[in-house]
Amino acid sequence: DQQVKQNSPSLSVQEGRISILNCDYTNSMFDYFLWYKKYPAEGPTFLISISSIKDKNEDGRFTVFLNKSAKHLSLHIVPSQPGDSAVYFCAALSNSGYALNFGKGTSLLVTP
Amino acid sequence: ETGVTQTPRHLVMGMTNKKSLKCEQHLGHNAMYWYKQSAKKPLELMFVYNFKEQTENNSVPSRFSPECPNSSHLFLHLHTLQPEDSALYLCASSQDTGGASYEQYFGPGTRLTVT
Repeated sequence: DQQVKQNSPSLSVQEGRISILNCDYTNSMFDYFLWYKKYPAEGPTFLISISSIKDKNEDGRFTVFLNKSAKHLSLHIVPSQPGDSAVYFCAALSNSGYALNFGKGTSLLVTP
Repeated sequence: ETGVTQTPRHLVMGMTNKKSLKCEQHLGHNAMYWYKQSAKKPLELMFVYNFKEQTENNSVPSRFSPECPNSSHLFLHLHTLQPEDSALYLCASSQDTGGASYEQYFGPGTRLTVT
């Protein structure tokens, strides 16, 4: 049973606009949430993370928002750039576990 | 070399072959992981090593055999694989397992095809 879900397989955004990638989870025991970016033929690259004690974390153009009551997190990219085109994976981890639970990914396309 | 490296990047093997995948991390981390990514499926954890000791074996068939000689190197020995084992095998490392050291850094992966 998948505990981390990314319900949008793809997203297309115009350059300069905001990209919003969504992720839902079912396990309330998750303590940490991470976003990874993946280009074809490469491994996932760590992007940004958030602890469950926070509701927002910002790093440059990337901001992750966490809504624990809704078991929902989102990644905002502002402004979006063509180089941001990639597959974005949401992942979650509990303090007592080792495995990152990944979603299936959302393919982002940023058009000029 | 920096980060996490994996060799080979591509591997084609028959079902009766024996081969090994290699992973090396240059980040000074203590934990290393093997993941499998099959088409249209999320990444699945296979094995976890922390300080060279195996701490997790996620019900992986015995035809996959991990080896961790030190904190910087991780191998995945393969023998008598099945075509359904064809996938992208990813290695990752983190400072430690769980807690505040949760950020895992991935290698580029080995694309394995079993014929």
